[in-house]
Amino acid sequence: GAGVSQSPSNKVTEKGKDVELRCDPISGHTALYWYRQSLGQGLEFLIYFQGNSAPDKSGLPSDRFSAERTGGSVSTLTIQRTQQEDSAVYLCASSLVGQGSEQYFGPGTRLTVT
Amino acid sequence: EDQVTQSPEALRLQEGESSSLNCSYTVSGLRGLFWYRQDPGKGPEFLFTLYSAGEEKEKERLKATLTKKESFLHITAPKPEDSATYLCAVHDYSGAGSYQLTFGKGTKLSVIP
Repeated sequence: GAGVSQSPSNKVTEKGKDVELRCDPISGHTALYWYRQSLGQGLEFLIYFQGNSAPDKSGLPSDRFSAERTGGSVSTLTIQRTQQEDSAVYLCASSLVGQGSEQYFGPGTRLTVT
Repeated sequence: EDQVTQSPEALRLQEGESSSLNCSYTVSGLRGLFWYRQDPGKGPEFLFTLYSAGEEKEKERLKATLTKKESFLHITAPKPEDSATYLCAVHDYSGAGSYQLTFGKGTKLSVIP
């Protein structure tokens, strides 16, 4: 079956511009996660959505980062006024439920801020 | 704060040379330990979930084991196609109502023909 998809696969933007990254989870998965992977660093949790519950935003690094999930499916991660330190691979994952379930990852979006 | 440490950072093996990767963790209450494989330019690919000490799981040339403080990923007679970065993660209660994964930095495995 179809896995997690993300778009775009690569995004180059100028410092100060806003960007939107999209994630389409596996059908039927109620939990959706965003992570960031920087060179030489481990994956860093950003935000979590579970069903209709309020999202857990505890991992967002600053108020320039926001995310939404429409209709319990597709999610968009928005970064406003991008900075060079935002350059990283942004990974989306989904799972059947939150606790204890395997998370399945998409291919990621490589963001480069120049 | 939960921590996950993987060793070694990099490992080079000859084809057929068996070895083990280590993942040590400190958590307040383990709700799952996960192993993933990541190829360059791709997202992590799920391999195993372990929930309690003593548990073991196998898949082809890979076998994952779990103790109360660490997990091992044993690779038996590896092949060049096993070359990848192997990531370990623990399921961590954020305190804000969600369960995200806390990842180690990974072990980059290279298998030489």
